[in-house]
Amino acid sequence: ETGVTQSPTHLIKTRGQQVTLRCSSQSGHNTVSWYQQALGQGPQFIFQYYREEENGRGNFPPRFSGLQFPNYSSELNVNALELDDSALYLCASSLDTGRNNEQFFGPGTRLTVL
Amino acid sequence: KQEVTQIPAALSVPEGENLVLNCSFTDSAIYNLQWFRQDPGKGLTSLLLIQSSQREQTSGRLNASLDKSSGRSTLYIAASQPGDSATYLCAVSGSARQLTFGSGTQLTVLP
Repeated sequence: ETGVTQSPTHLIKTRGQQVTLRCSSQSGHNTVSWYQQALGQGPQFIFQYYREEENGRGNFPPRFSGLQFPNYSSELNVNALELDDSALYLCASSLDTGRNNEQFFGPGTRLTVL
Repeated sequence: KQEVTQIPAALSVPEGENLVLNCSFTDSAIYNLQWFRQDPGKGLTSLLLIQSSQREQTSGRLNASLDKSSGRSTLYIAASQPGDSATYLCAVSGSARQLTFGSGTQLTVLP
């Protein structure tokens, strides 16, 4: 069984640029969630995708967008990068069976915006 | 809006001690609660998941309890080891399926 993988591991961008982060779900999982974790804080929910449809969104602006593909892998896109977007971006996959939706996390992508 | 608080923010103990980490949440309408471990700069490792209908879960030296009515959970670590040094995060999941996290407890176990 393959766990959740994310790419790239590190990324450096400048303010105003655009970035795409990628996530491969754990085998058999149909739901992907993305979180942003600033230094010293707990992760904050960005959005969730279930069977290629957005299934919930946190308090993030529209310049944060995503996709989920038929194989349940996912992308997080961030446009017009700001300095405050510097963070660890975490992807989590789960098998949505209703109440029992244990989430499994990938290693994260560290984004630095200069 | 669900809010999760973890106390203490940091904890330092000598090796071999038993310890308790605390987590509280404001909205008791949860589906489950997860405890995670995070090493510096790394992703999250799931330690234990407690369903809302359960009172506790155990895995090795770890025991997590849940009191949904009072909005509290504890993570008990027995016979702590230096390898247990990490940040421990609790998170709750409700009808919105998203996880709401606390800010974590940074644990240091001194040899």
